[in-house]
Amino acid sequence: SQTIHQWPATLVQPVGSPLSLECTVEGTSNPNLYWYRQAAGRGLQLLFYSVGIGQISSEVPQNLSASRPQDRQFILSSKKLLLSDSGFYLCAWSVRSPGANTEAFFGQGTRLTVV
Amino acid sequence: AQTVTQSQPEMSVQEAETVTLSCTYDTSESDYYLFWYKQPPSRQMILVIRQEAYKQQNATENRFSVNFQKAAKSFSLKISDSQLGDAAMYFCAYRSSYEYGNKLVFGAGTILRVKS
Repeated sequence: SQTIHQWPATLVQPVGSPLSLECTVEGTSNPNLYWYRQAAGRGLQLLFYSVGIGQISSEVPQNLSASRPQDRQFILSSKKLLLSDSGFYLCAWSVRSPGANTEAFFGQGTRLTVV
Repeated sequence: AQTVTQSQPEMSVQEAETVTLSCTYDTSESDYYLFWYKQPPSRQMILVIRQEAYKQQNATENRFSVNFQKAAKSFSLKISDSQLGDAAMYFCAYRSSYEYGNKLVFGAGTILRVKS
């Protein structure tokens, strides 16, 4: 069966420090991968998605970047965190076929607090 | 671009009763998928139910059912015999059948409170 791992679960970082959140998927190949952010009490905003190694699409211009160095690894980064980067970050995967009747599967999330 | 609207920020229901959460969406496409996700206090996103737009029959999963009105672009979730464990934030989501990347577009969510 497929599983998705996301870490760390909680992170407190000072303003101006770097960020690296990692997500890995097991039990599937060639997944689409996603990073979402959820502000307190609000909906999910898609930040980045990837359909293959090295292929990153950005949905929202911001202080963050994403990379996919391996097929089942997705990394969210920042060189210098801002207070506004605080939030709950969710990694997700789905099958690649556009017509597939399948949902997105989510990791357990990272709560990031920038102080 | 597609948008999803959940007009109810919060809803309350008495235990064992029925509640309906609303969702509308905007799209020019004819084929797509719709989902309801549940996010309990643990914040783990859990799929509740999905609907394929080309299927006229409304999806049902145990106590959860949807009312899919394609022409009205409406996709409401009905929870029957509500339980305390149903208390969570519920998100409606849309996915295109054509668009590259299989991205989900989410509504803002509805907080459901269940009273004992």
